[in-house]
Amino acid sequence: DSGVTQTPKHLITATGQRVTLRCSPRSGDLSVYWYQQSLDQGLQFLIQYYNGEERAKGNILERFSAQQFPDLHSELNLSSLELGDSALYFCASSGNMMGWAFFGQGTRLTVV
Amino acid sequence: GESVGLHLPTLSVQEGDNSIINCAYSNCASDYFIWYKQESGKGPQFIIDIRSNMDKRQGQRVTVLLNKTVKHLSLQIAATQPGDSAVYFCAENGGATNKLIFGTGTLLAVQP
Repeated sequence: DSGVTQTPKHLITATGQRVTLRCSPRSGDLSVYWYQQSLDQGLQFLIQYYNGEERAKGNILERFSAQQFPDLHSELNLSSLELGDSALYFCASSGNMMGWAFFGQGTRLTVV
Repeated sequence: GESVGLHLPTLSVQEGDNSIINCAYSNCASDYFIWYKQESGKGPQFIIDIRSNMDKRQGQRVTVLLNKTVKHLSLQIAATQPGDSAVYFCAENGGATNKLIFGTGTLLAVQP
């Protein structure tokens, strides 16, 4: 158990809908990262938050947004969902200066 | 279980043999590298890391080698076991934000 909790584990929704994925980082970790993993791609960095502030952005679509709350949990909002958004979404947290992160078990999103 | 990717490079080894998984990284400014293991249906799990001022680091049954001249990283697993079967990702971290950029991954299949 990495200490990073993601909910829900599975999510099935229709095209055009909006969903929210939730992540609770390890206790004390200030950084939260979101990654997308599709079947035909590796882990794609989406966005990073550090202590409530956006720190870095990757290839995140405009239909996607995220935030980190004062209690350090984070939410990833995906809207106007398309079939191609079906993927595993991972959250990771880090509190160490080296930068390696602990990953959650992921949320599998299926858009039908 | 679910496969992480359909077109991953695959390394097939016999149980008890040594495995070598290779990775080429892209950013010559990266100063920190990590190997992750991802088992089917789970999030990536940290294995070992190395700073750019080192060329070798050993852990328990694993060794990471770094060749900065050719931007190449390798993971050696000694006496490979069935439990080592997974997808292995290298990741590089070169920025102040500590975001990790992942390689495409290699599927290690251990034959009994």
